[in-house]
Formats: sequence, C-alpha cells, structure tokens
Amino acid sequence: GQNIDQPTEMTATEGAIVQINCTYQTSGFNGLFWYQQHAGEAPTFLSYNVLDGLEEKGRFSSFLSRSKGYSYLLLKELQMKDSASYLCAVMDSNYQLIWGAGTKLIIKP
Amino acid sequence: GAVVSQHPSRVICKSGTSVKIECRSLDFQATTMFWYRQFPKKSLMLMATSNEGSKATYEQGVEKDKFLINHASLTLSTLTVTSAHPEDSSFYICSASGGETSYEQYFGPGTRLTVT
Repeated sequence: GQNIDQPTEMTATEGAIVQINCTYQTSGFNGLFWYQQHAGEAPTFLSYNVLDGLEEKGRFSSFLSRSKGYSYLLLKELQMKDSASYLCAVMDSNYQLIWGAGTKLIIKP
Repeated sequence: GAVVSQHPSRVICKSGTSVKIECRSLDFQATTMFWYRQFPKKSLMLMATSNEGSKATYEQGVEKDKFLINHASLTLSTLTVTSAHPEDSSFYICSASGGETSYEQYFGPGTRLTVT
C-alpha cells in the first residue's frame, strides 16, 4: 500500500529552527510537495522536490532523498505566524497526490 | 496568478436538502479539478478527479450519486451534495491544475458545510 508518515505534532520557539520529517512508500514517484495549512483554511503551496537535494526558498527549505524515501521541511527564524499544519504529499505514478496526515507545528514565544 | 475561488465559504443546510459548491479558476484554464474532503485534524481525502467535458473519476468509497460533480468548462467545477445528512458535515476543498506548472495543484479556500 501507499503510505506517508510525518510526526503528528511538533513544538518550537520563536526565532529558532525546526525540521519536519516525512517518509514515504508509494507506487512510483513524480515529486514531493510540502503545503502549509492554517486552521480552517485551505492548504497553500510551499515547495516541490523531484530531484535529490535541497531546495531553498527564503526561510523555508525542503530536502529530498529518493533512495531513502525521505524528505524534510526546514523552517528558519520561526515566527508566530508559522504556527500551522504542514502537509507532505507525494505524486505517484498515476500523477495522483498521496497526502500525509500533516504535522501540527506550535510556535511558542 | 493561479487563483482558485470557492463559493460559498460556509453553508448550513437542513438534513435532506441538496447543496451546491462552486470551484472556479480565475486566471487560468484548469484542465483537471480535484475535490477533497477534510475532517477535523485529519489529512485531505481525495473524493474525485474531474477533467473538463468528461465524467469525474471517483475514489473508492465515495458515492457518485450522492456527490455529483460537474466540470462543464475549463474554469468551473461544481460539487453537489445531494440529500445531505449530518455525517456529510465537513470541510470541502477543491483544487485545480493546469496553471503555470503542470504539477502544482492550486487550492480554493474551502467550504465549511454543516448539515443540521
């Protein structure tokens, strides 16, 4: 079966750095996405990785290792507004997105 | 660019009635639209995928006669929840692909449905 695993909840301090991990087992691979979702709102796109390595975009970076079925989202200089759920999703061989359950990130002052 | 709107944002209806939710791509042609359902503190659950001009493909366990999907144009898809029941209360989100990048899905703001 297809499976996406990520921690349920993480807590970090304002100004710090946090890494959210995601491991996956899917039928084929056509890219991995990270989305941010605030409570009661729809997800917003953060990043897309299809090749191994690190993609940096401002305070957010995303890493992918296809051989290990592993990705992480790195958030630097945390701000209170970063409190949200972070969803990992993998596009499988049918170009369908398989979603993880999301990681709720709590930022404390 | 790549904005998707959804209407209404919130709707309360009585059990047994039908509710229609609209999803529009405002500045691009959406070749494919997706309808998701999300329960509190749970991940997105894909209900169906629709391509313009053809019948929607429903995921296993989703009743196509209950959740009617129409993708009449490249900018509009509708989801109609027929004979709604309290267990249909949920957050419904649409997304669309076909914008600047072929892989990205652009999400609408979601519709909170409450069936009393």
